[in-house]
Amino acid sequence: QLQLQESGPGLVKPSETLSLTCTVSGGSISSSSYYWGWIRQPPGKGLEWIGNIYYSGSTYYNPSLKSRVTISVDTSKNQFSLKLSSVTAADTAVFYCARQPGYSGYDIWEYFFDYWGQGPLVTVSS
Amino acid sequence: QSVLTQPPSVSGAPGQRVTISCTGSRSNIGAGSDVHWYQQLPGTAPKLLIYANTNRPSGVPDRFSGSKSGTSASLAITGLQAEDEADYYCQSYDKSLSGYVFGTGTKVTVL
Repeated sequence: QLQLQESGPGLVKPSETLSLTCTVSGGSISSSSYYWGWIRQPPGKGLEWIGNIYYSGSTYYNPSLKSRVTISVDTSKNQFSLKLSSVTAADTAVFYCARQPGYSGYDIWEYFFDYWGQGPLVTVSS
Repeated sequence: QSVLTQPPSVSGAPGQRVTISCTGSRSNIGAGSDVHWYQQLPGTAPKLLIYANTNRPSGVPDRFSGSKSGTSASLAITGLQAEDEADYYCQSYDKSLSGYVFGTGTKVTVL
């Protein structure tokens, strides 16, 4: 059974960089059929896609966050990571990592989210 | 601000049928991007319910069904049960924004 587990600080100071790592177990992050994504959810609000990465290192980012986001992959550790810089209180959210399987022609719009991590709350506060 | 609009809430008695709409535009659902649906129980991560408009993953009851037409999609829940009380989100890909987008979310209440 595939499992994803986020890890990282639960409290980050304003203007600093939020860093999270997602460890994948029960499957290989190097599979050619999947992207690996990050999604966030502010308390009491909806879901927002942050970005995703392929095992080769190819990335796509939400245009509204692109200037502050970096996603990287470490296939040797079966992990992928998120860095969000210059955070403010508005970045306080539950952060989920998720697997994105493709289908049909495997065009970038033909991916969804099937397995999700449990999602830690990351609070931005001094 | 989400580009996919859902009703904030829907409700129904046990055993009834409820539907949740997801309204998009010509840059996402209307552009041919498929719609996927997720269920989020309180305090938990979203769970995939429907992918590629109509397909149920293994383990999802056939009480849940999806459809898509034009610039909109719908999720139907038949034989509503108390355990279906949750938030539901649609998701698609917006070709103008070049990114994945989620709906505003709908809270389903079982009366």
